[in-house]
Amino acid sequence: EAGVAQSPRYKIIEKRQSVAFWCNPISGHATLYWYQQILGQGPKLLIQFQNNGVVDDSQLPKDRFSAERLKGVDSTLKIQPAKLEDSAVYLCASSQVSGGFLAFFGQGTRLTVV
Amino acid sequence: RKEVEQDPGPFNVPEGATVAFNCTYSNSASQSFFWYRQDCRKEPKLLMSVYSSGNEDGRFTAQLNRASQYISLLIRDSKLSDSATYLCVLNKEGGGADGLTFGKGTHLIIQP
Repeated sequence: EAGVAQSPRYKIIEKRQSVAFWCNPISGHATLYWYQQILGQGPKLLIQFQNNGVVDDSQLPKDRFSAERLKGVDSTLKIQPAKLEDSAVYLCASSQVSGGFLAFFGQGTRLTVV
Repeated sequence: RKEVEQDPGPFNVPEGATVAFNCTYSNSASQSFFWYRQDCRKEPKLLMSVYSSGNEDGRFTAQLNRASQYISLLIRDSKLSDSATYLCVLNKEGGGADGLTFGKGTHLIIQP
């Protein structure tokens, strides 16, 4: 079974630039999550989709972050403009059902803002 | 009080020893609990779910204490390959929003 695919694996940008990350969840998984993991911290939930609807975006900095999952499959996360403190690994996860059970993570995109 | 608190370690343990660490949580409404393992520069992977009755998977035993609001993980006969960060995880309650809440993790180093 193919896992959660994310791209790019690494990205280096200057502050105030824009960046986008892509995630393709495991086939058939209705729930998709984006997490931000800063070095030395646990992952922090940014947004949760159920199919193509947003269930929770309470921790998403909406002034600069946006995410979409238009057809209920792939998802993109965008940062515009980036700040130094956005340097982190952005992890996408998916699960077949809600409840966080058996959430599978992608390898993540490591973002460095300089 | 933080939602999920863990001792970051590192725990330096000789191979073959038994090691245990706890995690405390603040939200008494939390329903589901997990331990995830994360290797350096890798994604988190589910190690095991945690039940009130306690559950065991080979050398790993997890326990939930709802009254005291903590979960524990015990590793017996530790192997070098057990070296990793162990993340305490619970589900976030409320209105269908159920993304996982992670602790900062406990770093475990098994020494030969």
